[in-house]
Order: sequence, then structure tokens, then C-alpha cells
Amino acid sequence: DAGVIQSPRHEVTEMGQEVTLRCKPISGHNSLFWYRQTMMRGLELLIYFNNNVPIDDSGMPEDRFSAKMPNASFSTLKIQPSEPRDSAVYFCAGGRGGGSGELFFGEGSRLTVL
Amino acid sequence: QQQVKQSPQSLIVQKGGISIINCAYENTAFDYFPWYQQFPGKGPALLIAIRPDVSEKKEGRFTISFNKSAKQFSLHIMDSQPGDSATYFCAASMSGNTPLVFGKGTRLSVIA
Repeated sequence: DAGVIQSPRHEVTEMGQEVTLRCKPISGHNSLFWYRQTMMRGLELLIYFNNNVPIDDSGMPEDRFSAKMPNASFSTLKIQPSEPRDSAVYFCAGGRGGGSGELFFGEGSRLTVL
Repeated sequence: QQQVKQSPQSLIVQKGGISIINCAYENTAFDYFPWYQQFPGKGPALLIAIRPDVSEKKEGRFTISFNKSAKQFSLHIMDSQPGDSATYFCAASMSGNTPLVFGKGTRLSVIA
């Protein structure tokens, strides 16, 4: 098993550009989470899905952020338009159900918005 | 509102010493308390976890101590090694389909 796969690993873009981050969870994991990590705020939950259905997106900072999970093996997090304050490491994580179980994290996508 | 407060923010320990990281939570409905370990350039990975029906759980050099009445739990790393140098996150969640809430992390450096 290859684990949770995220792409790109690094993205440098200019303010105003659209950014799309991708995640392939581990097969059989029915919960998927998007977290953002910064020095100041630590790991923040942005949104999570159960069985491909968005359950809670209250952590999405604003309408510029959107996430989709069209099927059990793929999810995207999109930022449009991007701003310098969006610079962070974005993690995708999966698990077998809810929060009271092990989460398996990808290696993250480091986003820098100039 | 920060539901899980973690301290210290950073910690330097001599090789062979004991590393102690503390967390406090507010929501009494939390019933799952894991610790995650993160190395630079990697995602966090589960290290050890506890549920409130026990006060302590030990796995090798890593021990979680849990105090339900004080709403606190801590990670103890015995005989700390340079390879333990990483960022450690405590977290909490409720049973069912609720996500983990993480503390802000502790950067541990173990020096020889």
C-alpha cells in the first residue's frame, strides 16, 4: 500500500492564481480530512468527508476555498483566487470512520503564494 | 476557541533524559486522546493513543498519563534519543464521526 498520496508536494504561485491540491486516500478508508498547518495556528481542520459526502466545512476560511470528493479514491482542495496568507502546508488524511481511530496523513503540499 | 491546549511549545532534552509534554482539554465529551509524531517534511503519524477508561498506557519508551478529573493528559518519553527529535501533537475527539482536534504542537530536540 502506497499510503496517502498528495500532489503537488510543492507549489509556488502568484497572488490571484488558482491552486488545486490533490489527494488519493488509502483504499478502504471512508473518511477523508483536509488540514492546514502553519507555525502560528498549528493543524487546522478545513473540511472532512464521510463516504465521499462533505460533513463539516466550517473550517474553510472563506469562499475562496472549496473541496470536492467525486469518488472514494480522489479529493481536491481548490483555492481561487489565492492570497499570500494562504501559504501553508496542506495535509490530506484518511481513516476508517470518524475521528476516534487512527488517521493516516499524506506528506503534505507546501503552498507558497507570492 | 482552542479546545486542546498543549505545552510547552518547544523542549530541549539531553539524550537519556525524560521528555514530558502536556495537554489540557475543555470538552468533557472527548473520549479518544492520541499523540502524533511529525518529522520534518512528513505528515503526522500516530504514536500512541488512550481512552479515558484507563489512567496510563505504555508502549515501549512512550507513556500516556491521563487525568480525567483535571481534563489533562501528557506524553512521557523515557530515555529520550536524538531520533525522537520531532514535533509532537496531542489531539482529542469524540466517538462517532467527529474529527480530531489537535494541539498546536511541541518541537522536541534531543541533544547528545
